[in-house]
Amino acid sequence: DQQVKQNSPSLSVQEGRISILNCDYTNSMFDYFLWYKKYPAEGPTFLISISSIKDKNEDGRFTVFLNKSAKHLSLHIVPSQPGDSAVYFCAAPSPSSGNTPLVFGKGTRLSVIA
Amino acid sequence: KAGVTQTPRYLIKTRGQQVTLSCSPISGHRSVSWYQQTPGQGLQFLFEYFSETQRNKGNFPGRFSGRQFSNSRSEMNVSTLELGDSALYLCASSLASGADGYTFGSGTRLTVV
Repeated sequence: DQQVKQNSPSLSVQEGRISILNCDYTNSMFDYFLWYKKYPAEGPTFLISISSIKDKNEDGRFTVFLNKSAKHLSLHIVPSQPGDSAVYFCAAPSPSSGNTPLVFGKGTRLSVIA
Repeated sequence: KAGVTQTPRYLIKTRGQQVTLSCSPISGHRSVSWYQQTPGQGLQFLFEYFSETQRNKGNFPGRFSGRQFSNSRSEMNVSTLELGDSALYLCASSLASGADGYTFGSGTRLTVV
């Protein structure tokens, strides 16, 4: 059972425009959520997180929105840059296992076109 | 400071063989977790070690095993390799047990032929 779902395998956006990456979850016990960015041949790097008690967290060009009633979160990147082209993973710590492991979505490949 | 180091970076093995992958965490980090990344399944948790003890284990067959040494370095072993074991194996280290403050290594790309 996929507890964290990223239903869009890929997304193409023009440079300078907004990128919106979506993530849905099924487990209402998740305490917080993280977004990771992954370039080919590198490990995922932490991008931004949000606690379940908040509905928005912003860090520079990156903003994550959380809608608990819909069990949905989204990552907004504004403005998108070619260097943002990567695979983005949504993840949440498993509440039943001492916050390990992270439960990941399958990822969304973002391509920012110059 | 040095990041998480995984060796080797690439590996090709034959079905039925076994393989050992290594992960050296960031200095001072005591927790090491392993994940398998495949195109169809995303990242899936294998196990976590903290202070040489396995703290959590994912839903993988017994052919997958691991250990952690007193210097926090960790190894994972896969025996009787199958084609489906071809994947990117990632390790992540953190100061304490749990996923807070994960730093991932670049991974070991294992190809089973």
